[in-house]
Amino acid sequence: AQSVTQLDSHVSVSEGTPVLLRCNYSSSYSPSLFWYVQHPNKGLQLLLKYTSAATLVKGINGFEAEFKKSETSFHLTKPSAHMSDAAEYFCVVIMNTGFQKLVFGTGTRLLVSP
Amino acid sequence: DVKVTQSSRYLVKRTGEKVFLECVQDMDHENMFWYRQDPGLGLRLIYFSYDVKMKEKGDIPEGYSVSREKKERFSLILESASTNQTSMYLCASSILAGTYEQYFGPGTRLTVT
Repeated sequence: AQSVTQLDSHVSVSEGTPVLLRCNYSSSYSPSLFWYVQHPNKGLQLLLKYTSAATLVKGINGFEAEFKKSETSFHLTKPSAHMSDAAEYFCVVIMNTGFQKLVFGTGTRLLVSP
Repeated sequence: DVKVTQSSRYLVKRTGEKVFLECVQDMDHENMFWYRQDPGLGLRLIYFSYDVKMKEKGDIPEGYSVSREKKERFSLILESASTNQTSMYLCASSILAGTYEQYFGPGTRLTVT
């Protein structure tokens, strides 16, 4: 069965420093992977997606993620954090069923300090 | 832009009450989903629907039912609310096939006392 593990429940960075949110996946075949972001009191928004095309995926707001099959990882990065990046981030894998079942990680809360 | 709306942002109900959570999407999507979100657990799928009057159980359907009488509307029903159903409920929709992106509503925070 497909699953994702988000290695950190909380990550704290200072504004202007790099962001790294870690995600490892488990899948018996080549997976499709997403990162979603949830700002306080808002619904989830798709940040970026990997669907077996380029392994380096660029998303909105300067985020990107690299699919590494050898490491079964899909870490989310951003070169320079902004205060508005403070949110909860979810790594998601798509299950290979007859419909679109998303399997969510437990989330990483990103805290950005001035 | 896709818009998914949920009838209430906050809801407080008493144990044993019947609770209806409504979700409406305006993009003619075939698929609609109900999740609950709890701290440290991420999102868990309760039910989904791929067509009018069609429904499938997700991972945690116990204590819930759903209704989809019209394509744009998907309702989650708690037949007899219990305190362990206190949670954030998120509705989502997507097209039938393709990139699998789901569009989410803002959520309903339900408290059962």
